[in-house]
Amino acid sequence: DQQVKQNSPSLSVQEGRISILNCDYTNSMFDYFLWYKKYPAEGPTFLISISSIKDKNEDGRFTVFLNKSAKHLSLHIVPSQPGDSAVYFCAASPRLAGGTSYGKLTFGQGTILTVHP
Amino acid sequence: DGGITQSPKYLFRKEGQNVTLSCEQNLNHDAMYWYRQDPGQGLRLIYYSQIVNDFQKGDIAEGYSVSREKKESFPLTVTSAQKNPTAFYLCASSIVLGASYEQYFGPGTRLTVT
Repeated sequence: DQQVKQNSPSLSVQEGRISILNCDYTNSMFDYFLWYKKYPAEGPTFLISISSIKDKNEDGRFTVFLNKSAKHLSLHIVPSQPGDSAVYFCAASPRLAGGTSYGKLTFGQGTILTVHP
Repeated sequence: DGGITQSPKYLFRKEGQNVTLSCEQNLNHDAMYWYRQDPGQGLRLIYYSQIVNDFQKGDIAEGYSVSREKKESFPLTVTSAQKNPTAFYLCASSIVLGASYEQYFGPGTRLTVT
């Protein structure tokens, strides 16, 4: 059962335009969400995160939006650059009974972003 | 330079053989993790450890074993009991166990079993 889903395997965008990557989750216990970026033959690197108490977090060209009622999050990259071409994974972590977020991450399948010059 | 090293980058084994993948970190992190990535799938958690001499099963621990005798090292053994061992294996670490603490990943080991 895929608890975190990225339904678009790939996305192609022109340089300078906006890239929007989507992620849906089913587990209502998830309360911390992260995006990782991965280049071929390398390990993923952390990009941006958001806690369930927020609905938006921004870091430079990257913004993550969280819609808890829809169990949906998205990553916006504006403006997109060719160097952004990579696989993007969203990940989620559950809340423990004590209220703290755990480090056990569940990842989506990934979306391959290609930014054309 | 602080970071996570995984060796070797590529590993080939015959079916029925156990194989151990190395993971070393010099970031002084308490928590370490092993993930597996298959084509078209996300990273799946195999085992994790929040402190030396402690480790917990992840979502797909069957056919794998780990040890955490030193803070810096978290080797993963793929046993002959693992039905589909061919995959890309990633090791990660974080300061402590907690979602808000960034996980740093190694470059990965691609294991091929024939």
